[in-house]
Amino acid sequence: GQQLNQSPQSMFIQEGEDVSMNCTSSSIFNTWLWYKQDPGEGPVLLIALYKAGELTSNGRLTAQFGITRKDSFLNISASIPSDVGIYFCAGRYTGNQFYFGTGTSLTVIP
Amino acid sequence: GAVVSQHPSRVICKSGTSVKIECRSLDFQATTMFWYRQFPKKSLMLMATSNEGSKATYEQGVEKDKFLINHASLTLSTLTVTSAHPEDSSFYICSARRGGGPSWEQYFGPGTRLTVT
Repeated sequence: GQQLNQSPQSMFIQEGEDVSMNCTSSSIFNTWLWYKQDPGEGPVLLIALYKAGELTSNGRLTAQFGITRKDSFLNISASIPSDVGIYFCAGRYTGNQFYFGTGTSLTVIP
Repeated sequence: GAVVSQHPSRVICKSGTSVKIECRSLDFQATTMFWYRQFPKKSLMLMATSNEGSKATYEQGVEKDKFLINHASLTLSTLTVTSAHPEDSSFYICSARRGGGPSWEQYFGPGTRLTVT
């Protein structure tokens, strides 16, 4: 299946700092999702985007659907220790199938 | 609401045996369920999509005779890894899409760690 490229692959930041990560694809998508996965658990949905250019917030999280429909960005403001985990983007063109990004591992140092 | 469970959470089996993993939607009817495979520190790779009452659709490169999927009811899908080998060791995660819900909405189970010795 398709795979999306996420960057950075990993991040080590101080508590209170802002975080930015992005996801790019060679294919156009109609829906972008952002998930967080804790070790040994399934992913949990953070934000869903379904219109090019859309900017959506969920608390300290903000995500944008790129105008080209080939990328998406996730920002986390004022990070806290519980933000630690792996963040995945996922894209869908049509139908039910989603394809996941390579993941960004976030470590927050208290 | 929208809870998805998987059973077992961990399983160790011997090479050559078969293992069945269950995925259940506990408080909603799932018209579509998805099976993913995840290697350590890697992304989720979609293996197959199963719709209740019909054959699963497998992604390119996934052996349908190796990974048998049955979606017998609106709340249960099973993945059977047949004649397992050590290279099948992985974290298997299912997700379920609620009937009538948004097309993008899927809820993930907690995953099953399979180790083949």
